[in-house]
Amino acid sequence: GAGVSQSPSNKVTEKGKDVELRCDPISGHTALYWYRQRLGQGLEFLIYFQGNSAPDKSGLPSDRFSAERTGESVSTLTIQRTQQEDSAVYLCASSPRAGAGTDTQYFGPGTRLTVL
Amino acid sequence: QKEVEQNSGPLSVPEGAIASLNCTYSDRGSQSFFWYRQYSGKSPELIMSIYSNGDKEDGRFTAQLNKASQYVSLLIRDSQPSDSATYLCAVIKPGAQKLVFGQGTRLTINP
Repeated sequence: GAGVSQSPSNKVTEKGKDVELRCDPISGHTALYWYRQRLGQGLEFLIYFQGNSAPDKSGLPSDRFSAERTGESVSTLTIQRTQQEDSAVYLCASSPRAGAGTDTQYFGPGTRLTVL
Repeated sequence: QKEVEQNSGPLSVPEGAIASLNCTYSDRGSQSFFWYRQYSGKSPELIMSIYSNGDKEDGRFTAQLNKASQYVSLLIRDSQPSDSATYLCAVIKPGAQKLVFGQGTRLTINP
C-alpha cells in the first residue's frame, strides 16, 4: 500500500515568514512522529501523536513550532517566524500502534526547508 | 554524554569484507533498538530491530545487543558498494515511544 507522504518536498522561504509542512501517514497507523535532521546530523525528535491521547511535545525547540493532527490522519507542522537555524529536513514517520515501542516507524521522504 | 553515540566515520571497508558498526547508549533501561540505513538525500529505512541480548541475523546483516555493556552493533557480511550509506542507531527509552537517534556512521564500501 501507499507509504508515508509529505508535502512539499522542498520549501524555500524568507526569514520571518511562517511555513506549514504536511504529513499523510500510512492508513490505519495510530502513531505519528515528526523529526528534524540538520545537514550531517542524526534525527532530532520533535513531537509524537499517539491516537487520541495528548501529544508528546517535549522535542519542540521553541514556541514558534507547533503541530496538529486530526484523528488518525493528516498532520501539519507549523513553524512561525522562521529563522535560518530552522533550515533542515523535516521527517514524518508513522507506526501501527500507539504506545507500542517495538513497532517499526516508517518514514516519509521528508520536506527540505531552506530559510534564506 | 549523548544518549546514543556512534562514531561518525567515515568508515571504509573493501568490497566483500565485513563491516562492523557500533553504537552505545546511556539509559540502562532501554528495551528496543533499531538500525536504520539512510542513503544520501533519502529518508531512513529500517534494517534491523533487536530487543533481546545476543545476535539476530537477517541475510547479510547481524545485529548484536549487549545490555550489560550498553552497546548494540551491526555487522554487514560480504559488503557491497550498494551498502554505502549512513547507518543510524536508534533507541527507545523506557517509558517513552520516541526514537532517540545517534548521529550516524557514514560507511563506504570500496570496490
